Amino acid sequence: EIVLTQSPGTLSLSPGDGATLSCRASQSVSYRNLGWYQQKPGRAPRLLIYATSARAPGIPDRFSGSGSGTDFTLTITGLEPEDFAMYYCQVYGISPVTFGQGTRLEIK
Amino acid sequence: QEQLVQFGSELRKPGASVKVSCKTSGYALSTHGMNWVRQAPGQGLEWMGWINTNTGDPTYAEGFTGRFVFSLDISVNTAYLQISSLQADDTAVYYCARKNLIFDAFDVWGQGTRVTVAS
Repeated sequence: EIVLTQSPGTLSLSPGDGATLSCRASQSVSYRNLGWYQQKPGRAPRLLIYATSARAPGIPDRFSGSGSGTDFTLTITGLEPEDFAMYYCQVYGISPVTFGQGTRLEIK
Repeated sequence: QEQLVQFGSELRKPGASVKVSCKTSGYALSTHGMNWVRQAPGQGLEWMGWINTNTGDPTYAEGFTGRFVFSLDISVNTAYLQISSLQADDTAVYYCARKNLIFDAFDVWGQGTRVTVAS
């Protein structure tokens, strides 16, 4: 099982700031198998990024993903008020699918 | 628009069973695999497994064998999750999530069904 560790646990920023969220895997992951999801309170998760860096349909270009091997990053430039939420990285296409524990992005 | 439709909530007593449904809208169930994901109150996302909607073959994650059953009714484009012998720690929101055809990411999610187990 691939264990994903996200950091920081909580990130406190202001609208307009840039955010960098980290996801570290316990073993090497193919770029194809790494994704990021956003979840707002009381809502289902939403796919933001798949295959490390590809934006899902309808996702604004202020969201970008990067990384390789065991270290992956979600970057959000120019935070909008609607971006404050929980973010999860995920390894998929491998059994078992695993999620990181999440990073909470909160308004400072 | 392609969607997954789930009912809002279920309340059951310990020891009872529940069957959670997930109906596709805008596409045929048999075209994409279906995942199930659990989220306990205040916790993160936990993958329960998935079902191949062509063959009906389920794959269960560790910790979700025995009391958990995935099934399909292709004729009504609906996937099901049945949980038997419910326990208090089964209290959670259960999501269905579609498997993307190319990359296997979870590209469409149901709104979730909250299952509460309480006496």
